Amino acid sequence: EAQVTQNPRYLITVTGKKLTVTCSQNMNHEYMSWYRQDPGLGLRQIYYSMNVEVTDKGDVPEGYKVSRKEKRNFPLILESPSPNQTSLYFCASSFQVNYGYTFGSGTRLTVV
Amino acid sequence: QKEVEQNSGPLSVPEGAIASLNCTYSDRVSQSFFWYRQYSGKSPELIMSIYSNGDKEDGRFTAQLNKASQYVSLLIRDSQPSDSATYLCAVKGNNRLAFGKGNQVVVIP
Repeated sequence: EAQVTQNPRYLITVTGKKLTVTCSQNMNHEYMSWYRQDPGLGLRQIYYSMNVEVTDKGDVPEGYKVSRKEKRNFPLILESPSPNQTSLYFCASSFQVNYGYTFGSGTRLTVV
Repeated sequence: QKEVEQNSGPLSVPEGAIASLNCTYSDRVSQSFFWYRQYSGKSPELIMSIYSNGDKEDGRFTAQLNKASQYVSLLIRDSQPSDSATYLCAVKGNNRLAFGKGNQVVVIP
């Protein structure tokens, strides 16, 4: 089944403890992206990647890191999480940037 | 001006009626436009994409694009209770896909 897989689905962590949210797609998509979704603010792009080893900042990149060493994987790294990063995170991929995205199931992160 | 705006508040429509959703965007060079549906607690799901001026129909959904007015709309005909969801407008520009905040649609049986 064609899909974008995110893990974990739910995560509660403490301020300052490094964490990684994984994202993997099995559709051979070139384009991958991370979004966060907050009430009243909608979906905001964190980082995106046009292809392997090519990443760029989105609207709200502060406090996040990404890497794209393989085409299928695009992990999101929070080096020192803070409570304002409590949010619902979505990974998405598409064949090319002009095509519609397929979204993962989401990761609900709580930083206390 | 926000990049992608969806200004309407929650929309309640009777079952069987037409739901109409509107979206405006600020980047004149945008070329790709999408509508996503998001059920509560779920991830967004692509329901329509449109790239040229005019109408595009897919089942009960019709997307309309007017690049001169920087305006995209979505019509849902014969609305069903299963259409109750939040609908997100998305516009591609500068290698990024920007989303509006969404419009909630409630279909009343």
